[in-house]
Amino acid sequence: SDEVTQPPSVSVSPGQTARISCSGDAFSDQYAYWYQQKSGQAPVLIIYKDTERPSGIPERFSGSTSGTTVTLTINGVQAEDEADYYCQSADSTAAYPVFGGGTQLTVL
Amino acid sequence: QVQLVQSGAEVKKLGASVKVSCTTSGYTFTSCDINWVRQAPGQGLEWMGWMNPNSGITAYAHKFRGRVTMTRDTSISTAYMELSGLKSEDRAVYYCAREAPGTSGYYFDSWGQGTLVSVSS
Repeated sequence: SDEVTQPPSVSVSPGQTARISCSGDAFSDQYAYWYQQKSGQAPVLIIYKDTERPSGIPERFSGSTSGTTVTLTINGVQAEDEADYYCQSADSTAAYPVFGGGTQLTVL
Repeated sequence: QVQLVQSGAEVKKLGASVKVSCTTSGYTFTSCDINWVRQAPGQGLEWMGWMNPNSGITAYAHKFRGRVTMTRDTSISTAYMELSGLKSEDRAVYYCAREAPGTSGYYFDSWGQGTLVSVSS
């Protein structure tokens, strides 16, 4: 199956660590990517190829993978990190992308 | 720097067509595929299809085949997405997104600002 699943919401207090997981068979042979989307804005790539961070993305954002589950970790969460986060992979032939349903991160 | 700038918000009637443009700068337009992704109000991201700006070759998601057409004008580094037979459920923000170049993965390193398409009766 191409489907990827992520929790609809995660809450964390400032300074704590937030973890958002995403699961799907696609991750067994395709990379994972993560996007941050703040309210009213376009998505922004924050993790690519499972663990890589584009230039300009803070070091507190990191990605990891284990089997068919990938995880976005945000260390020392800040108020500005409140946003929707989407994981993304691709079908088995990398012919089209597959998005998770999105996780709303609330900073308490 | 890479920029994708989209055309402004549109209000269309049921059954009409809408054409959204995506003007690129900061890189060679023909070197990276352009994808279109939409987002209905309060919903997630939905992939619509891609176009190779060099060849004009396209591939569309099953859901949109027969209704969507992606084209380009290389002289002005602009991609277009036209959606016909608009339905109320087509009300969404439409994004163009640049597929990251020269990689073994399939992901988007730059996005347009989005174009809101509203459909009225």
